[in-house]
Amino acid sequence: GAVVSQHPSRVICKSGTSVKIECRSLDFQATTMFWYRQFPKQSLMLMATSNEGSKATYEQGVEKDKFLINHASLTLSTLTVTSAHPEDSSFYICSARWASGGPIYNEQFFGPGTRLTVL
Amino acid sequence: GENVEQHPSTLSVQEGDSAVIKCTYSDSASNYFPWYKQELGKGPQLIIDIRSNVGEKKDQRIAVTLNKTAKHFSLHITETQPEDSAVYFCAASIDQAGTALIFGKGTTLSVSS
Repeated sequence: GAVVSQHPSRVICKSGTSVKIECRSLDFQATTMFWYRQFPKQSLMLMATSNEGSKATYEQGVEKDKFLINHASLTLSTLTVTSAHPEDSSFYICSARWASGGPIYNEQFFGPGTRLTVL
Repeated sequence: GENVEQHPSTLSVQEGDSAVIKCTYSDSASNYFPWYKQELGKGPQLIIDIRSNVGEKKDQRIAVTLNKTAKHFSLHITETQPEDSAVYFCAASIDQAGTALIFGKGTTLSVSS
């Protein structure tokens, strides 16, 4: 149980285009999903916290108009990188937490990540 | 806000040896400390976690210890195997809904046979 999927796993796009990444919790409901960015050989940097049905909370330095996050249901959050540039190339990872209650209430489960390359 | 320091950044051991990775945190309100293993090109996988109401937790070859007074926690892997080779991240947070994990910078563990 507690599987999180991401789609696509890899994407290559031209500079100036927009790319949408989906994050799904497959076998549980997640009121909160998190989006991280990871550069090669570095740690995970939190970009934003996404709560179902409300606006995402962005970390300082993350442009909310560039990284659009939508969390329309308890099992799906999307990250759209708008007008992508080569410096946006990175590994994007989402995570999801159980909706509430239970012995694993606070655990975060991570998706497999999406490798974005902007040419 | 919370800040998590992790050491060492790289660790090389021989198969069968033990490996220890240490982390310190700054926010005394943090009470949830998970450890993740990340293999190349994949997302992090939770391997063990500990909450502040206990000082130690063990799961087969993996154990985690927590010293709340000193604000540090450690991952112990015994009888290491080549498949343990990966990047390990510690994290800390307050154990409540909507609270993000703050990660350490990671430790690259290499187990040679």
